[in-house]
Amino acid sequence: EPEVTQTPSHQVTQMGQEVILRCVPISNHLYFYWYRQILGQKVEFLVSFYNNEISEKSEIFDDQFSVERPDGSNFTLKIRSTKLEDSAMYFCASSDSREYSYEQYFGPGTRLTVT
Amino acid sequence: GQNIDQPTEMTATEGAIVQINCTYQTSGFNGLFWYQQHAGEAPTFLSYNVLDGLEEKGRFSSFLSRSKGYSYLLLKELQMKDSASYLCAVRDQDYKLSFGAGTTVTVRA
Repeated sequence: EPEVTQTPSHQVTQMGQEVILRCVPISNHLYFYWYRQILGQKVEFLVSFYNNEISEKSEIFDDQFSVERPDGSNFTLKIRSTKLEDSAMYFCASSDSREYSYEQYFGPGTRLTVT
Repeated sequence: GQNIDQPTEMTATEGAIVQINCTYQTSGFNGLFWYQQHAGEAPTFLSYNVLDGLEEKGRFSSFLSRSKGYSYLLLKELQMKDSASYLCAVRDQDYKLSFGAGTTVTVRA
């Protein structure tokens, strides 16, 4: 069964450093998403991406964040200058449509720890 | 924006039935999803409702009333492996998913 993959599974970085979280969505999917989940809190939407551009973003997704699809398979989330409060689990998701019951398939997540 | 409420915790016995309620207030509605999340893992899709009524998928059923801003997830014949967090998520008119805080279900033998 096809699945979304994410690397690394755990990333530790120092405050102020840049990090890139990588995702490989399901191959025939067209819509890509990033979510984050701070430990013990709810899953929060960050950004959606379609046709090589951002389609929606939340207020969390400020200028420190960017997304890119550098090739036909990878989808990345970059945090330019990490803050302590960026520590969270980051989930990538993909779907083949936004319509109807097309669910978003989530990857296993990258746990980001900012020290 | 979205405001999604669900109970924090529920406990039930193996073989029993549990109903998890979710109420929402939304600026636009484009479907309601239920996800299961085991600790430290990614959410996995359980069900989807966009029209009023009951959707049944094996041991899991989900109900929606759009006029009341209300949904429930019904888990029947509970098994130990059903111990997890259950997330209610509402999709808005811009196709963004907003999640509730999740209901942790503990199944006891």
